[in-house]
Amino acid sequence: KNEVEQSPQNLTAQEGEFITINCSYSVGISALHWLQQHPGGGIVSLFMLSSGKKKHGRLIATINIQEKHSSLHITASHPRDSAVYICAGNPHGGSQGNLIFGKGTKLSVKP
Amino acid sequence: DAGITQSPRHKVTETGTPVTLRCHQTENHRYMYWYRQDPGHGLRLIHYSYGVKDTDKGEVSDGYSVSRSKTEDFLLTLESATSSQTSVYFCAISELGQDYGYTFGSGTRLTVV
Repeated sequence: KNEVEQSPQNLTAQEGEFITINCSYSVGISALHWLQQHPGGGIVSLFMLSSGKKKHGRLIATINIQEKHSSLHITASHPRDSAVYICAGNPHGGSQGNLIFGKGTKLSVKP
Repeated sequence: DAGITQSPRHKVTETGTPVTLRCHQTENHRYMYWYRQDPGHGLRLIHYSYGVKDTDKGEVSDGYSVSRSKTEDFLLTLESATSSQTSVYFCAISELGQDYGYTFGSGTRLTVV
């Protein structure tokens, strides 16, 4: 069983829709990361959070430590948001960088 | 200018040959990492470094070695490449206290034939 699970695996949306990607984890973590990987392959770090909520432009990330759950929301989605979104956690007591990665959610936004 | 660069971007090599991938950073970050990404597995940590000459193994370190003789460079070596090491390799950097997490390189696509 994966320690970091994402849902859905694949998501297709129409431009303008509100999108939610979920991430659940079964181990204690000190921080949770959301990453974006575009079709060209490059990986960009979107958020790192250990509590509460962060917002950057149309992207919002939330985390509920008690429920071991995080969500990534995209408001007013656009075709350029099409990418794979990956969540990853830093486990407590783990070495720096030993992130546990989810397998990603592939998002496709249609015009 | 990118704060982190990987070279080469693509490489095809034969089974049994040694291969070295280079990661170079201009951010002066303490931590550097090598990951591999394979379908169905996601990203997995190979080795990481927490300073010059300080390295440690990750989840999938067998068949790989690393070296960090300068803050800015982190080398990943496949001593004798095997087909199972065909993958996309990503380098990343981070620093304690930074709010934005990790910065990733553009990746190296390695094919072992």
